[in-house]
Amino acid sequence: RKEVEQDPGPFNVPEGATVAFNCTYSNSASQSFFWYRQDCRKEPKLLMSVYSSGNEDGRFTAQLNRASQYISLLIRDSKLSDSATYLCVVNPHPGRRALTFGSGTRLQVQP
Amino acid sequence: NAGVTQTPKFRVLKTGQSMTLLCAQDMNHEYMYWYRQDPGMGLRLIHYSVGEGTTAKGEVPDGYNVSRLKKQNFLLGLESAAPSQTSVYFCASTGTFLSYEQYFGPGTRLTVT
Repeated sequence: RKEVEQDPGPFNVPEGATVAFNCTYSNSASQSFFWYRQDCRKEPKLLMSVYSSGNEDGRFTAQLNRASQYISLLIRDSKLSDSATYLCVVNPHPGRRALTFGSGTRLQVQP
Repeated sequence: NAGVTQTPKFRVLKTGQSMTLLCAQDMNHEYMYWYRQDPGMGLRLIHYSVGEGTTAKGEVPDGYNVSRLKKQNFLLGLESAAPSQTSVYFCASTGTFLSYEQYFGPGTRLTVT
């Protein structure tokens, strides 16, 4: 079983739509969670951290469910510029300074 | 402030050849990482370093060696390239123990024929 699993998509949505991605992680000891964004043929960049209480950054909302070991990302009012691959990222070994990346969910926002 | 840079951007090698990928960061970061990214596999950690002169193995270290002689540089070596090492290689760095935000370089696209 992969440490971090994501639906690869693609999710094709019209502009203005709301879209949600989920991600599951296998190690219950994981303590830090993130969403990164990766544009085609570019490097990943941090989108937002995910906190236990849930957090929001503009049109983006991240949630963590420790009991079920999943993380979600909600994007409201999708823009064409949101088209990218969204990587779910976990630190499964808190004593180590290394992150585990999911393989990503591709989002295509259409006009 | 260039952030994280990688050299070269592209390279084609023949099986058995060797090469070194250079990663440099100008943010005075302690932690540096080398990943490879293959289609459908996500980013996989090859080696990482928690400070100058230290290195550690990641998830897929076989066939690679690394060195961190200077704090700002992290080198990834392939001693005898194989077609299975065809991939996009990303370097990343993190500044402090409390921060998990990794800053990535633009990547090196390596093809081994």
